[in-house]
Amino acid sequence: KAGVTQTPRYLIKTRGQQVTLSCSPISGHRSVSWYQQTPGQGLQFLFEYFSETQRNKGNFPGRFSGRQFSNSRSEMNVSTLELGDSALYLCASSLGPGSTKQYFGPGTRLTVT
Amino acid sequence: TQLLEQSPQFLSIQEGENLTVYCNSSSVFSSLQWYRQEPGEGPVLLVTVVTGGEVKKLKRLTFQFGDARKDSSLHITAAQTGDTGLYLCAGANTGANNLFFGTGTRLTVIP
Repeated sequence: KAGVTQTPRYLIKTRGQQVTLSCSPISGHRSVSWYQQTPGQGLQFLFEYFSETQRNKGNFPGRFSGRQFSNSRSEMNVSTLELGDSALYLCASSLGPGSTKQYFGPGTRLTVT
Repeated sequence: TQLLEQSPQFLSIQEGENLTVYCNSSSVFSSLQWYRQEPGEGPVLLVTVVTGGEVKKLKRLTFQFGDARKDSSLHITAAQTGDTGLYLCAGANTGANNLFFGTGTRLTVIP
């Protein structure tokens, strides 16, 4: 069974631009969560989607948004990029809400210059 | 926000030595997970503990969930170079998928 895939793996953007990251969960998994990982703040929860609905949202500004499609694939978007948005963005998939097993993708390394 | 503090933050040991990593919180969690992350990769789930006082063994790794479900520990026996990586604990609440991650312990095992 294929694991969680994230595209692209690396991205360089300029301040003020916007970016879209993609995540394909493990086949059969319907819940997708997004996290931001930085050296200073560690791993922080962004949001979670299940059945195309956002179930939970972390403490991030409205510039961070996401969506989920009917095939459970998910995208997250960051608008008006800031230098501080440089991070590893990780996607995790699980069977559904409350699942104690989440499987992470390799992440997308975003660098904002 | 439910915070989890891990200690130590950095650990460098010789191959064959034993070590323990701690994960502490003032909050109660319904489950506690441990992950290992290697450079350029996402975290990989090692174990999930759900019952207060629970002990799980995974080969040379022993995980314990505190009785009050606020803290956990990871003990590695006879460390190997392949154990090198960033160890993360993460707490979860019932019915929720958002994980609260610990501050991380970066382990280096020297041959």
